[in-house]
Amino acid sequence: KAGVTQTPRYLIKTRGQQVTLSCSPISGHRSVSWYQQTPGQGLQFLFEYFSETQRNKGNFPGRFSGRQFSNSRSEMNVSTLELGDSALYLCASSTGNEQYFGPGTRLTVT
Amino acid sequence: EDQVTQSPEALRLQEGESSSLNCSYTVSGLRGLFWYRQDPGKGPEFLFTLYSAGEEKEKERLKATLTKKESFLHITAPKPEDSATYLCAVQAYGNDMRFGAGTRLTVKP
Repeated sequence: KAGVTQTPRYLIKTRGQQVTLSCSPISGHRSVSWYQQTPGQGLQFLFEYFSETQRNKGNFPGRFSGRQFSNSRSEMNVSTLELGDSALYLCASSTGNEQYFGPGTRLTVT
Repeated sequence: EDQVTQSPEALRLQEGESSSLNCSYTVSGLRGLFWYRQDPGKGPEFLFTLYSAGEEKEKERLKATLTKKESFLHITAPKPEDSATYLCAVQAYGNDMRFGAGTRLTVKP
């Protein structure tokens, strides 16, 4: 079974721009969660989607948003990028309690 | 508020030298406690889920245990390929998953 895939793997953006990251979950998984990982803050929960509905949301500003499509694929968007948004963005899919992570998208904001 | 504290921050072992990593947590209504392994530049790899105090799970050289306040990840006779960051996470009912800062394990040959 193919694992979680994320595209792109690396991205460089300029402050003020916006970015869209994509995640394809493991086949059959309907829940997709997004996390931000930085050296200083570790892994922090952004939001979770299940059957195209946001089920849970972390403590991030409204510049961070996401959505899920009918085939369970998910996208997250960050608008008006700030330098502090530089991080590894991880997507995880699950059918129940256990989450399986993708390789992440490394976003660098200059 | 749910909290997860992992110790030590970093651990250096000689190959074959067994040790334990600690994960202390406070959560209202534990749904599950999770252990992950993360290699540099990669996403976390799922290892174990523990649901109730007294539960134990094993996989190769790793054994995870759970009490009402903490979990231990025991590493028996580690090899250099066990070098990684080990992450602990807890999830309460209706809440998101909360991760600890991780323990960076280095195993020297």
